[in-house]
Amino acid sequence: SQTIHQWPATLVQPVGSPLSLECTVEGTSNPNLYWYRQAAGRGLQLLFYSVGIGQISSEVPQNLSASRPQDRQFILSSKKLLLSDSGFYLCAWTYWGAQLSGNTIYFGEGSWLTVV
Amino acid sequence: GQNIDQPTEMTATEGAIVQINCTYQTSGFNGLFWYQQHAGEAPTFLSYNVLDGLEEKGRFSSFLSRSKGYSYLLLKELQMKDSASYLCAVDSNYQLIWGAGTKLIIKP
Repeated sequence: SQTIHQWPATLVQPVGSPLSLECTVEGTSNPNLYWYRQAAGRGLQLLFYSVGIGQISSEVPQNLSASRPQDRQFILSSKKLLLSDSGFYLCAWTYWGAQLSGNTIYFGEGSWLTVV
Repeated sequence: GQNIDQPTEMTATEGAIVQINCTYQTSGFNGLFWYQQHAGEAPTFLSYNVLDGLEEKGRFSSFLSRSKGYSYLLLKELQMKDSASYLCAVDSNYQLIWGAGTKLIIKP
């Protein structure tokens, strides 16, 4: 079965510090990978998605970046965090071939980021 | 533009039935998803509808009307653990469009 993990689960970072969140998927190959952010009490905002190694699409211009160095690894980074970067970050994956369940998206456990 | 609307918050009683509505206006349609999200946790998949009609999974059912751009999630025999946010999402040309979610509060 497929699993997805992301870490760290919680972090408190000062303004201007760097960020690195990591996500890995097991049990599948060539997944589509996503980074979402969810502000308190709000919906999911797609930040980045990737259809393959080295292929990154950005949905929202900001001071965040993403990389996919390996097929099942997705990294979210920032060189200098802003207060507005605080939120709940979710990594997710889909497999574009599931006929019965559509393009169901599965999420990692999430990472709580507080910028102080 | 693409838009999904669902109520912000609903309250129901333990043991009762509740229906959470979702209306959508999207440029394409490849299916509609419902997810459950407990406070502080990641969303988990509940259901997927691509054809009109009702899909039943135990205490949860999801209905879709493509002509009306409308779906609902029906929760029966409510339990306290059903207190969560319920997210509606539409696959529009292989891009997921998310609603803001409905917070469901269950009272004893």
